[in-house]
This record gives sequence, structure tokens and C-alpha cells, in this order.
Amino acid sequence: NAGVTQTPKFQVLKTGQSMTLQCAQDMNHEYMSWYRQDPGMGLRLIHYSVGAGITDQGEVPNGYNVSRSTTEDFPLRLLSAAPSQTSVYFCASSYSFVWQGSYSYNEQFFGPGTRLTVL
Amino acid sequence: GENVEQHPSTLSVQEGDSAVIKCTYSDSASNYFPWYKQELGKGPQLIIDIRSNVGEKKDQRIAVTLNKTAKHFSLHITETQPEDSAVYFCAAGKWKNYGQNFVFGPGTRLSVLP
Repeated sequence: NAGVTQTPKFQVLKTGQSMTLQCAQDMNHEYMSWYRQDPGMGLRLIHYSVGAGITDQGEVPNGYNVSRSTTEDFPLRLLSAAPSQTSVYFCASSYSFVWQGSYSYNEQFFGPGTRLTVL
Repeated sequence: GENVEQHPSTLSVQEGDSAVIKCTYSDSASNYFPWYKQELGKGPQLIIDIRSNVGEKKDQRIAVTLNKTAKHFSLHITETQPEDSAVYFCAAGKWKNYGQNFVFGPGTRLSVLP
């Protein structure tokens, strides 16, 4: 298994440009998510999905769009890049199981990250 | 919203000594607390986790304790080795809308000196 893969590894954009960060997993995980990592701030959740056609916002969703058409893929779109979006982006996936009567998600498997610079 | 604090931000220990990292969370609805290790240039990797119905969990040299009343949890690494040097993140997870959301602490950079 390749696990969670992300492309590209590095990207430089100019302000106002758009692009899509790709994320794919081959573990048949239902839950996928996008985080951004900034110095001294840990990881912050941007968007997440619990299956094809179901997405929801995280802590910092503004300026980003997502969709989930297949179990394997969860792309993140930047509509009009801004310098504030300079960051390292991580995609993660997780399986689910029932715990105390509810669906629960535990270990998240992270991709290697995409380092994005917006000039 | 949920806030997770983590201390210390940096920690240096001698090889063989123990290391302790502490986190506090604000939302009592959080019920899952993972710890991640991140090596340079890589994504975070789970090293241990604990659920809200358990007070302590151990896996070889690594242990985590949870105090729900005080809303804090800690990572303990014994007999540290140079390969333990990395950035460690704690997180608090709870159910929201369609799935479980996680809030991460800012991280602790651990250096194990040979």
C-alpha cells in the first residue's frame, strides 16, 4: 500500500492564482481531512470528509474549497491564493468504527505534505 | 472554540532520561486524545492515543495519562534515545456534525542528547 500520497511536494504561486492540491489514499478509509501547519501553531483543520459527497468545514476553511467524488481522492482547491495561505499542507485519512454507540474515528494517517509559498 | 495548550515548547534531555510533555484542553466534550511524532520533512505519525474512559495507557517506553476533571493529559517517554528527537503534538478530538474534529497543540521540540 502507498498509504496517503500528496502532490505536488512544493509549489510557488503568485497572489491571485488558483491551484489544486491533490491527496489520495489506498486504504479504503472513509474519513479524510486537510490541515495546514504554520510555525508555532500546530496543525489546524481546514476541511474534512466522511465519505463521497459529504464534506464539512474545519477551523480555518476560508479561501479553500473541497469536494469528494470518490473514496480515494480528496483534493483541496485554492480559488485565489493569498500570501496568508503560505504554509505546509497535510492530508490525512482514517478508518471508522462504532464506539459507545456512535461512529468514532481514531488513528489518522498523514501524507508527506505540500509546501506552498504564495508571493 | 476548543483550545489545546502544550508545554514545554522545547525540551532537551540526556539519553536515558525521561521526558514529559503536558497538554490541557478546554472543551469537556473532547473524548479522544492522540499524540503524534513528526520528524523533519515528514507528516505526523501516531505514537499513542487514549480515550476518555481510560486514565492511563502504556506502550513499551511510551505512556499517556489523562485527567478528565482537570482537562489535562501528558506524554511520558522513558529511557529516551537519540531517535526520539522530533516534534511531538498532542490533540483533542470530539464529534462534530459528520465526523470527529481534532484540535492540535502547538508542538514540543524534543532533543535527546547523546
